[in-house]
Amino acid sequence: QLQLQESGPGLVKPSETLSLTCTVSGGSISSSSNYWGWIRQPPGKGLEWVGSLYYSGSTYYNSSLKSRVTISLDTSKNQFSLKLNSVTAADTAVYYCAILGHCSSASCYALASGAFDIWGQGTMVIVSS
Amino acid sequence: EIVMTQSPATLSVSPGDRATLSCRASQSVSSNLAWYQQKPGQAPRLLMYGASTRAPGIPARFSGSGSGTEFTLTISSLQSEDFAVYYCQQYSNRPLTFGQGTKVEIK
Repeated sequence: QLQLQESGPGLVKPSETLSLTCTVSGGSISSSSNYWGWIRQPPGKGLEWVGSLYYSGSTYYNSSLKSRVTISLDTSKNQFSLKLNSVTAADTAVYYCAILGHCSSASCYALASGAFDIWGQGTMVIVSS
Repeated sequence: EIVMTQSPATLSVSPGDRATLSCRASQSVSSNLAWYQQKPGQAPRLLMYGASTRAPGIPARFSGSGSGTEFTLTISSLQSEDFAVYYCQQYSNRPLTFGQGTKVEIK
């Protein structure tokens, strides 16, 4: 059974880079999903998609984050990561990593691709000096 | 960007009653819509995808309908564990976007 776990600093200073890692357990990250994503949730607010990395190597990011975000994959460590630079207080949030892990057929992916069914527990990141 | 609007913001329902949650997209997303349940301090849980397909392990009391711009999540008989916040998400276009959530509370 696939599980995800986020890790990284809980406190980041303004203008610095937020770096988080998501470790996949219970299976190989390469076969876990067709894509790996990050979603965040500011305190008391709703969900915001940060970006996704696809098996093809393509990455897609929320334009609201402009060019500050990078998502990458490290298959040797069974991890994928998020880097968000030049952070401000507005980047304070719980950050979740997530995948679509239950699909094993093209028809399932055709219907569900873009949704996330396996999530990490989330990690709170506070941007403050 | 496709804006997802959920209504109502809060729904007060008695256990055993039916709950109907709405989600509207600012433009057509076809059936590329998911519903999530989130409880305090927990990650979201996928309930539905493709607008009307239940995710694995989701009870049959949850059902989804709609296509295009209007969607509905129905919980046929609310159980105590169903009181939570529910989000819809479109994945037709990037950026992927979520609704602002509907809180289902005990009446």
